[in-house]
Amino acid sequence: DTEVTQTPKHLVMGMTNKKSLKCEQHMGHRAMYWYKQKAKKPPELMFVYSYEKLSINESVPSRFSPECPNSSLLNLHLHALQPEDSALYLCASRDLFSRTDEAFFGQGTRLTVV
Amino acid sequence: KQEVTQIPAALSVPEGENLVLNCSFTDSAIYNLQWFRQDPGKGLTSLLLIQSSQREQTSGRLNASLDKSSGRSTLYIAASQPGDSATYLCAVPRANSKLTFGKGITLSVRP
Repeated sequence: DTEVTQTPKHLVMGMTNKKSLKCEQHMGHRAMYWYKQKAKKPPELMFVYSYEKLSINESVPSRFSPECPNSSLLNLHLHALQPEDSALYLCASRDLFSRTDEAFFGQGTRLTVV
Repeated sequence: KQEVTQIPAALSVPEGENLVLNCSFTDSAIYNLQWFRQDPGKGLTSLLLIQSSQREQTSGRLNASLDKSSGRSTLYIAASQPGDSATYLCAVPRANSKLTFGKGITLSVRP
């Protein structure tokens, strides 16, 4: 199973709402990532979790709050977002200590902030 | 700092043509390079990963090559089909567990 599952697929939220994005993988990968992607741009790294600990925060605004409850789950909590935060949010995982170190991505959550 | 470049940004070819997509990187001290496909509004699908000890990797009609000394990788697509239309991205891992992406090449295969 090389699948990374993201829910929901689509999300529309108001600027005062609180919502969460969820990501799950069962490949035993100990590195998990959140990326943000705008139209016609490459994915832009937001956060990296390594062994369930936050290892990289790319100066992301505090209205985005990541959480890694266990080695298979990654959440992104959203609060008081702005319309410019509308984008495709991608989750990825990698096995940093495997021979191949291949990255796998989920299908993304299309977020629209109104 | 590793920089990854993919040129051109867009490519349109007739169906059946064999084509090559290029990816160049500035720091040759890489341990692998990964090619992805992305359909509009969808996630990234891993196509091929080439380790630094390999020169080529094949999957079906796709063949990826890696030349570390020249800082280049190519993705060869044989007998292109309209279903191959998508954006193709290459990515290089960095020691701090980040992935550096190129900007992608948007391929359109005309029937």
